[in-house]
Amino acid sequence: DAMVIQNPRYQVTQFGKPVTLSCSQTLNHNVMYWYQQKSSQAPKLLFHYYDKDFNNEADTPDNFQSRRPNTSFCFLDIRSPGLGDAAMYLCATSGGGGRRPHEQYFGPGTRLTVT
Amino acid sequence: DQQVKQNSPSLSVQEGRISILNCDYTNSMFDYFLWYKKYPAEGPTFLISISSIKDKNEDGRFTVFLNKSAKHLSLHIVPSQPGDSAVYFCAASASRSSSNTGKLIFGQGTTLQVKP
Repeated sequence: DAMVIQNPRYQVTQFGKPVTLSCSQTLNHNVMYWYQQKSSQAPKLLFHYYDKDFNNEADTPDNFQSRRPNTSFCFLDIRSPGLGDAAMYLCATSGGGGRRPHEQYFGPGTRLTVT
Repeated sequence: DQQVKQNSPSLSVQEGRISILNCDYTNSMFDYFLWYKKYPAEGPTFLISISSIKDKNEDGRFTVFLNKSAKHLSLHIVPSQPGDSAVYFCAASASRSSSNTGKLIFGQGTTLQVKP
C-alpha cells in the first residue's frame, strides 16, 4: 500500500542533543510537509518542500532544519532540542495538483520527548 | 492569532444520532476547507472537503456545510457509529494567495465520542 512512513515512532533525546526524525513516502508526491503538534493544539506547519524548493514558515525557530535528499525522503533536524520542543511531529505529503491539490496524506507521527 | 478555531474540545453523542462538529475561520482568503479524522497512534486521515464555491458537500454519512458570510463550517455525521469516535480536525487553505502547495491551517480539533 502506498503510504507515508515515519521513523522512529517514539524518540527520546536529551536537552541540547541533536536529533533527526525521518519521513519516507511511496506515493511519489512532490510536496512534503513537517508539522509540530503539541497536546490539544492544532498541528502547526514548520516548513514544506515543493520538489526541492524549501519553504520555511516565518515563525519556525532556527533550531529546526530540514533536508530532502530525494522525492521519497524528508528529514527534520532539531539542532539543540529544548523542553518546549517535546511534541508530536507529523510528516505529510500531497500531490501539489490534480483534483484535490490540498488533500494531504499523513504519517503516524513521531512522539519526541526531551529529558 | 488562530485563523481556524474549533471551540468545542469534545462532543459526546449516542449511536445512531447526528454528530455536528463546528469550525470557525477568520481569514476571508480561505477558499478550500477540509475535515480530517485522527485515531490514537495514527496520523490524521482525509475525510471530506469543500470548495468555497459550494455551500454543501456530501459523502455517504458525512456532509460538510459552508456558510461563507458567517465564516463557519460544520461537519454532520448521520447516523453516528461507535467507529466514528476520533479527533476531528478542521483545516483551511488559501489557494489564491499561495503557490499550489496546498498549505493548510488547522483547528485544534474536537474529540468525538459515540456511545453504543
